[in-house]
Amino acid sequence: NAGVTQTPKFRVLKTGQSMTLLCAQDMNHEYMYWYRQDPGMGLRLIHYSVGEGTTAKGEVPDGYNVSRLKKQNFLLGLESAAPSQTSVYFCASRPRGVGTEAFFGQGTRLTVV
Amino acid sequence: AQSVTQLDSQVPVFEEAPVELRCNYSSSVSVYLFWYVQYPNQGLQLLLKYLSGSTLVKGINGFEAEFNKSQTSFHLRKPSVHISDTAEYFCAVMYGGATNKLIFGTGTLLAVQP
Repeated sequence: NAGVTQTPKFRVLKTGQSMTLLCAQDMNHEYMYWYRQDPGMGLRLIHYSVGEGTTAKGEVPDGYNVSRLKKQNFLLGLESAAPSQTSVYFCASRPRGVGTEAFFGQGTRLTVV
Repeated sequence: AQSVTQLDSQVPVFEEAPVELRCNYSSSVSVYLFWYVQYPNQGLQLLLKYLSGSTLVKGINGFEAEFNKSQTSFHLRKPSVHISDTAEYFCAVMYGGATNKLIFGTGTLLAVQP
């Protein structure tokens, strides 16, 4: 009963490096989200997906790309990391429908030096 | 613009005292409101939600919230807090017509002191 699993949990990157964060859910949820959490700014939506093969931009999409090739996985990519992308990243998923509960992963703490 | 505001970044309170965490949202014809809690170094989990019907909503751990349409508010309350309630609390909103997006406030840190 894993729920939402994020990989990796911690990562340090050098400016300009690239990486991919993986989110996997085993609840057969249609919707998946990537948020970043920064002190004093709460959670800000980066990208989201309403189904396999579809993605959409959130509030702060610049510098990130996403893919949802399989329903259970939602990947977040940083092509050229910048110090401003130092943050804690959370993935969430929820079933289709109004007001359904979102389930969150444990987060990925990313530091860009 | 669709948004949710949590004016208090931190609320200190003594154990067994009552607490209210404030949340206001930008007005819309239909809204769905949520409170999530984040314990240290963990993800978020749902405390309670308002979709429709009774404006007083009860959640887990003795928390409740009241939806007030005229004041566009959804404040969270607990009559008597415990040390274990120390956490960050996030108000979130989903707007009718854009129910794909869940928009969060900036969070309120509830610091319960003995």
